[in-house]
Amino acid sequence: QKEVEQNSGPLSVPEGAIASLNCTYSDRVSQSFFWYRQYSGKSPELIMSIYSNGDKEDGRFTAQLNKASQYVSLLIRDSQPSDSATYLCAVNAGNMLTFGGGTRLMVKP
Amino acid sequence: ETGVTQSPTHLIKTRGQQVTLRCSSQSGHNTVSWYQQALGQGPQFIFQYYREEENGRGNFPPRFSGLQFPNYSSELNVNALELDDSALYLCASSLAGGLIYEQYFGPGTRLTVT
Repeated sequence: QKEVEQNSGPLSVPEGAIASLNCTYSDRVSQSFFWYRQYSGKSPELIMSIYSNGDKEDGRFTAQLNKASQYVSLLIRDSQPSDSATYLCAVNAGNMLTFGGGTRLMVKP
Repeated sequence: ETGVTQSPTHLIKTRGQQVTLRCSSQSGHNTVSWYQQALGQGPQFIFQYYREEENGRGNFPPRFSGLQFPNYSSELNVNALELDDSALYLCASSLAGGLIYEQYFGPGTRLTVT
C-alpha cells in the first residue's frame, strides 16, 4: 500500500523562527510532490510543488526533495502567526494524490 | 480566472439516503478529482474524471459514483449513505498532461449523516 507519513505534531515555533516540516513516502515511482496548507474548517490550498531532487524556493517557503531517501520537506522562514495551520504532504504517482495525515503547525507570537 | 466551486456548502442526510454533490472546475482545467476527508485525517482519493470518463478510482465501494459533463463540471453521487460517510468532500481540478500535474481544491462540501 502506498503510504505518505507525516508527524502529526503539533509543531510549535516562535514567531520569526524557521519551521521545518517533514514527510516520507513509500512509492518509489512517485513523480511529483506537493505541500498544501489547510486552515481549520477550510479546504487545502496548494503552496508548493516539486518534482526534481534538490531545493525549490518561493518567497518564505522552500521545498526540499530527496528521491533516494524518499523524503520531502518544507521550510517556512520568518514564521508568522498566520502560518498556523495543518500542512499536508501529497505525492503524485499517476493521476491521484496520496496525502499524509498532516502536521499541525503553531506559530506563537 | 475562476476558481473551483462546490455546492452545497453543508448537507445533512439520514442513513440510507442518497446525495449528489456538485463541482465546477477552474477555468482552463479539464480534469476533476474527488476526495473524502474525515476529521483529523488527510484527504483520500475517491476517483477522477477526464473526458467525461472515470480515469482512476481509489478504495471506495461502487455506491460512490460520479459524472463529468462536457463543460468539465462534475457530480459525486453517494447511495445508501452510512454514518461513516460523514466527512468533508473535496473536488480538485487540474489540467491533464505535464509533469507536475497540480491539483487545486474547491471549498468542499461538509456532509453529515445521522
